[in-house]
Amino acid sequence: DQQVKQNSPSLSVQEGRISILNCDYTNSMFDYFLWYKKYPAEGPTFLISISSIKDKNEDGRFTVFLNKSAKHLSLHIVPSQPGDSAVYFCGGASWGKLQFGAGTQVVVTP
Amino acid sequence: EAGVTQSPTHLIKTRGQQATLRCSPISGHTSVYWYQQALGLGLQFLLWYDEGEERNRGNFPPRFSGRQFPNYSSELNVNALELEDSALYLCASSLRTGHGVADTQYFGPGTRLTVL
Repeated sequence: DQQVKQNSPSLSVQEGRISILNCDYTNSMFDYFLWYKKYPAEGPTFLISISSIKDKNEDGRFTVFLNKSAKHLSLHIVPSQPGDSAVYFCGGASWGKLQFGAGTQVVVTP
Repeated sequence: EAGVTQSPTHLIKTRGQQATLRCSPISGHTSVYWYQQALGLGLQFLLWYDEGEERNRGNFPPRFSGRQFPNYSSELNVNALELEDSALYLCASSLRTGHGVADTQYFGPGTRLTVL
């Protein structure tokens, strides 16, 4: 039962440009959404979160947008940097249970 | 401040054996979560412990169990190991989670379990 979906397995973006990662969910009980970045053989690193009562949260180069009516959220990274190359997971949380999408591999090229 | 720590880093077992994985949360965090990331798959929620009690459980068989100690560290036990249990097991911790409210989970580096 895949309640969180990241339909783009990979994304290639040029350094300095905007990266847009998308995520769709089906569980309307999620009260919190989070984005994590993951390098191989490491645990996920928290990036940014958004409460279900908000529609936007910004932290430095990272902005998360939430469209509850469409059950869609997105992560914008501006400007993209080579160190941003990683796998990005979006997650929806409800009662302690964090459910992740399959991840999007981001490659930032010079 | 120390992050979430997990031990061992790698664990090799044979089918049918038991595996024990350990996790120490960030100081001040009372909730501990366990996730499985099998090869080619996403992160799957396993268990959530808070204040020593199991609060939520993912779709895994009962041979996946654990506990949380009074110091909030946690153990994940996997009994009767099967080949498909080979995966990266991640532990995360957070501040106390109120009902219906999720707190940000911070992850450890994981334990790589290989079942031969």
